[in-house]
Amino acid sequence: SYELTQPLSVSVALGQTARITCGGNNIGGKHVHWYQQKPGQAPVLVIYRDSYRPSGIPERFSGSKSGNTATLTISRPRAGDEADYYCQVWDSGTVFGGGTKLTVL
Amino acid sequence: QVHLQESGPGLVKPSETLSLTCTVSGGSISSYYWSWIRQPPGKGLEWIAYIYYSGTTNYNPSLKSRVTISLGTSTNQFSLKLSSVTAADTAVYYCARGQPSSGYYPYWGQGTLVTVSA
Repeated sequence: SYELTQPLSVSVALGQTARITCGGNNIGGKHVHWYQQKPGQAPVLVIYRDSYRPSGIPERFSGSKSGNTATLTISRPRAGDEADYYCQVWDSGTVFGGGTKLTVL
Repeated sequence: QVHLQESGPGLVKPSETLSLTCTVSGGSISSYYWSWIRQPPGKGLEWIAYIYYSGTTNYNPSLKSRVTISLGTSTNQFSLKLSSVTAADTAVYYCARGQPSSGYYPYWGQGTLVTVSA
């Protein structure tokens, strides 16, 4: 079965740039989507089809792909961006990465 | 605005069947995928199954032998049954609307915690 690999945690200082990676075999041939989940809440879609932002998602969230890795970039993150982030693809069904906890220092 | 709401028992005994219903409001069930996704306490997201509005289904291979997803008797409902549950099935269960062709989920229910315990 298809697997997506994310780092368990990422820390970033206020004013810097956070990058969360998602690795998978031939991920370049798939659309990658990203979700933000805060404690006790349902996931929220922040990036779809690699790099598109849904309405209402701030411009500081962006997505990209290179080789076998997709990246969610959060520019100048705020304290309120602290959350778990999950990548997801479609591969004969839905596949989620293991999730990355983002800490804003 | 599309709204999804999960409903069902919050406590299920081991070896019994977990049954949940998702009610969709603010939009038609047509032309989309409808999924169940779960999250054990402190762990990540796990996709369980989807059903297309036409009735086509697909299941996570790891759960396929125990899962049934179906469209509800009401036109804007779909349901999940998970049989022979154990404590490992304790989780928050979410229903979500999937976008065809790319398979992303713009809409999620709030989730419902199901605990498996005697």
